[in-house]
Amino acid sequence: DSGVTQTPKHLITATGQRVTLRCSPRSGDLSVYWYQQSLDQGLQFLIQYYNGEERAKGNILERFSAQQFPDLHSELNLSSLELGDSALYFCASSVGGGVSTEAFFGQGTRLTVV
Amino acid sequence: GQQVMQIPQYQHVQEGEDFTTYCNSSTTLSNIQWYKQRPGGHPVFLIQLVKSGEVKKQKRLTFQFGEAKKNSSLHITATQTTDVGTYFCAGQVSNYQLIWGAGTKLIIKP
Repeated sequence: DSGVTQTPKHLITATGQRVTLRCSPRSGDLSVYWYQQSLDQGLQFLIQYYNGEERAKGNILERFSAQQFPDLHSELNLSSLELGDSALYFCASSVGGGVSTEAFFGQGTRLTVV
Repeated sequence: GQQVMQIPQYQHVQEGEDFTTYCNSSTTLSNIQWYKQRPGGHPVFLIQLVKSGEVKKQKRLTFQFGEAKKNSSLHITATQTTDVGTYFCAGQVSNYQLIWGAGTKLIIKP
């Protein structure tokens, strides 16, 4: 158990809908990262938050947004969903704000858009 | 743009054979991290290499970081079924940016 909690584990929704994925980082970790992993593909970095502020942005679509709350949990919002958004979404956390320390990944949320 | 190429994409081996995956960066890296993702699982941190020419071992796994800090490799000796999964490298290019390789999937032939 990495200590990172993601909910829900599975989500099935229709095209055009909006969903929210939730992540609770490990106790004491200030950074949260979101990644997208399509079937049998690599990890695509979406966005990082550190202590409530956006720290780095990757290949995140405009239809996607995220935030980190004062209690450090984070949410990833996906809107106007398309079939191609079906993927495994991972949240990871680390202690510091940089990427020089190991990241701990949650179990992921599997999103299926039908 | 900056990228980390990881090869091969797949490697099929007989149990007991060796396995190697390579990562090559288009730019000098501050450090490189390696992760393993078991089938159906999430990535798990294995190790971080920081120094030029660094070599680290974890039991049957040997990790190397090139002299120019642009390439890295992971070698597994005498693979076992527990080694099955996808191995990712991730290179740090700035304080806040990790560039991930596409991963190498290790498959043990039946």
